[in-house]
Parts: sequence; structure tokens; C-alpha cells
Amino acid sequence: KNQVEQSPQSLIILEGKNCTLQCNYTVSPFSNLRWYKQDTGRGPVSLTIMTFSENTKSNGRYTATLDADTKQSSLHITASQLSDSASYICVVSPAALSYNTDKLIFGTGTRLQVFP
Amino acid sequence: EAGVAQSPRYKIIEKRQSVAFWCNPISGHATLYWYQQILGQGPKLLIQFQNNGVVDDSQLPKDRFSAERLKGVDSTLKIQPAKLEDSAVYLCASSPYGGGLGTEAFFGQGTRLTVV
Repeated sequence: KNQVEQSPQSLIILEGKNCTLQCNYTVSPFSNLRWYKQDTGRGPVSLTIMTFSENTKSNGRYTATLDADTKQSSLHITASQLSDSASYICVVSPAALSYNTDKLIFGTGTRLQVFP
Repeated sequence: EAGVAQSPRYKIIEKRQSVAFWCNPISGHATLYWYQQILGQGPKLLIQFQNNGVVDDSQLPKDRFSAERLKGVDSTLKIQPAKLEDSAVYLCASSPYGGGLGTEAFFGQGTRLTVV
């Protein structure tokens, strides 16, 4: 069964600190992995997207890593800010049966709270 | 570029009533998704359209939920009759044609449904 698991479920850090969120998946065959940020009451917004051939991608203070062999990904946030408080969702796409379909399998997310 | 538009933003109904949500995807995007996100959980796919055809509706409770995408553009999701457990945020997302290697999926802000 295709599953995406994230840890920790929730995390509290102080402003300015770094943190790392984890994502393990069992999706196979695998096409790509995405990290989304979801602010309370809003839709998810994409942070990074990586195909199976990429092992790291950065977007400002966000750096995602991918190990397709162990089926693990991490999202590292550097020098956290209060605005980083949100849920971070790992989303994995299986290899498409045809080129014009793209399924998204969502993890349950990590809720991050950044305090001053 | 305009984003994915959803309406209404909030809806409160009594159980057994019916409700409809509307989504206008980004212009030119062939793939449209409807997700249900229960508080504290990741989004769950209800239905995926490719143009005006259904790609995946395996998790859509077809006895009460229906969706259509006329002319391959706007889409509506209907619940009739609603149950208490349908209380959730309903997210619409769209992505360009040819998603195979992970084209970006853009989300609307969602419709928060409360069934009382």
C-alpha cells in the first residue's frame, strides 16, 4: 500500500533555531516528492519538488533532501522565523501510468510552532 | 497569474442538507483535484479530473458526493445529504497537462464546511 509517514507530528522551536522534519514513504514505483507549507486556514503552498534523480533542493531557508534508496526525505529549516509556524506536508507521487496523470499521496503533516 | 479560486470560503449547514462548492482552476490547467482535509489530517483525494474526464474517484463516497467538470474548466463538488463527519476543509487544486514528472500543483484556499 502506498503510504507517506511524517515525523514528528508536532514541533515547537524558538525563533532563530534550525529544525529538521522527516518523511518516510512506501510509494513504489516513485516519481517525485514534494514539500508543502500550509498556514492555518489556507491551502498548501509548494516549497520544493524533487524527482527520483535529485537528492537535494533549496528554496531560501528551506532545504529538502531525498534518499530514493531508503525512501526517506527531510526538510531542513534554517534560522526559523515566526512566519514559519505552519503545517509542513510531504507529498509523494507514484510513477505515472501515463504521462498525463499525476497522483498525489499526502502525509499527515508536521505542525511546527515557532515562538519568540 | 491568477491562482485557484474557490467559493464559498465558509459554509455552515445542518445535517441532511445539501451543499455545493465551486472551483475555478488556473487557466490552461488540465488536471483538477478535489481533496477533503479533516482537522489535523493531511488532505485526502476525493476525485481527480483530466480535462473533463475522471481519472480517479475511488475514494469519493458516491452515495452522497458528486462532482463534475463541465467543459474541462470549472468544477463543482456536491454533498447530498450531508453528515456530521463531512465537516472538513474542501481543497481544490490544479496542475498543467502532462504531470508525469511532477509538474506543480496549485491549491485554492479551500472551503471550510461545518455540518451541525
